[in-house]
Amino acid sequence: DVKVTQSSRYLVKRTGEKVFLECVQDMDHENMFWYRQDPGLGLRLIYFSYDVKMKEKGDIPEGYSVSREKKERFSLILESASTNQTSMYLCASRTPYNEQFFGPGTRLTVL
Amino acid sequence: AQSVTQLDSHVSVSEGTPVLLRCNYSSSYSPSLFWYVQHPNKGLQLLLKYTSAATLVKGINGFEAEFKKSETSFHLTKPSAHMSDAAEYFCVVNRRDYKLSFGAGTTVTVRA
Repeated sequence: DVKVTQSSRYLVKRTGEKVFLECVQDMDHENMFWYRQDPGLGLRLIYFSYDVKMKEKGDIPEGYSVSREKKERFSLILESASTNQTSMYLCASRTPYNEQFFGPGTRLTVL
Repeated sequence: AQSVTQLDSHVSVSEGTPVLLRCNYSSSYSPSLFWYVQHPNKGLQLLLKYTSAATLVKGINGFEAEFKKSETSFHLTKPSAHMSDAAEYFCVVNRRDYKLSFGAGTTVTVRA
C-alpha cells in the first residue's frame, strides 16, 4: 500500500513565523502535490512537483513556496505565516494511473 | 475548464437506507472521474474511479457510481448505509494537465 506521511497532525504558529510542512511518500512516485482544504471550498492546489527539483504553481500559490530535494520528500514553506493561512494542509502523491494518495493532513493554526 | 459540482452540501440518511450523492461535471473531453471519502481527522481515501471502461463503477465498502455522459453526471450510491459511512465525500475530475479539480464536498450523516 502507498503510504504518505506528514510531519505534524496539528501545528500552532504565530503571525510572521516561517513554517515548514513536510511530506514523505514511500512509493517512488514522481508527482507530488500540496493542497489546502477549507470548509465549503473543497481542496485547492497550492503547488505540485513533477520530479526532483521541478515544481509548478497550482491555483493558489501566493504566500507559499516548496522544496523537493529528494524524490520521496516534498516540503511546503510559509515564508511569513498569516492568519488567512489557517487551514488543513494535505499532501498527495500520484500513481502513473492518475490516482492520488493522500497523507493524513496537518491542521495549521496561525495566531 | 474541467470542474465538478456537488449538488448537496449535506445528506442525512437512516442506517440501512440507500445513500445517493449527486455530482455533475463539466469537461471538454472524456474525463476521468473519482470519488474520495474523508473520515473525521483523516486524509482522503479513494473510493472509486471512472476511466472510460464500464459506465458503472464499483468501489470499496459497497459504493458504486454511474457515469452518464448525456447528463454529465457521476452520482455515488450505496444500497444500505452503515454508521461508518458518516464522512465527507468529494467528487473529483482530472484536468488535462493531470491535476485534479475537487467539488466542494458532501457531508453524510447516518442516523441510528
